[in-house]
Amino acid sequence: EAGVTQFPSHSVIEKGQTVTLRCDPISGHDNLYWYRRVMGKEIKFLLHFVKESKQDESGMPNNRFLAERTGGTYSTLKVQPAELEDSGVYFCASSRLSAYEQYFGPGTRLTVT
Amino acid sequence: DQQVKQNSPSLSVQEGRISILNCDYTNSMFDYFLWYKKYPAEGPTFLISISSIKDKNEDGRFTVFLNKSAKHLSLHIVPSQPGDSAVYFCAATYIQGAQKLVFGQGTRLTINP
Repeated sequence: EAGVTQFPSHSVIEKGQTVTLRCDPISGHDNLYWYRRVMGKEIKFLLHFVKESKQDESGMPNNRFLAERTGGTYSTLKVQPAELEDSGVYFCASSRLSAYEQYFGPGTRLTVT
Repeated sequence: DQQVKQNSPSLSVQEGRISILNCDYTNSMFDYFLWYKKYPAEGPTFLISISSIKDKNEDGRFTVFLNKSAKHLSLHIVPSQPGDSAVYFCAATYIQGAQKLVFGQGTRLTINP
């Protein structure tokens, strides 16, 4: 079974530019989560999809962040316009319905200069 | 407001000895706890979990203990092996399942030969 995949693995952009991160969850996993780790601190929740619906977006920092999950499969997270404080590692995770354990992807390291 | 805390940023243990990683939480609504292990440039990998109705869960060399009254859990690794060197994250969530994970800051464990 293939794991959670994320693209790109690294992205370096200038302040004010737009970046789109992609996550492909494990096949059959209805739950998809986005998290972010900034500067070696704790991993923080951003939002949670159940299939194509946003279940919880309480962790989204502001309206510069837009997440979508069309068709309930892969998800994208767009940051527009990017700011310096958006730098960090963005993790995607997926799980089966009602499951506690989440499976994480390798992350996308975003650097905003 | 840090709801899950790992107060030791790092821990160094001799190979073959016991490693004990600690975690404290403040939110009494948390009912399920997980430990994740993370290698550099990889996503967190699920290690072991425990429900609040238990006080101990064991899986091979890994044991998690939960003290609900103290809002404290610990991960014991016996015996420690060089491959255990990684960052360990404690996470908490709610009993309903398929909810966001709230992570601690992580503890970097180094196993010395």
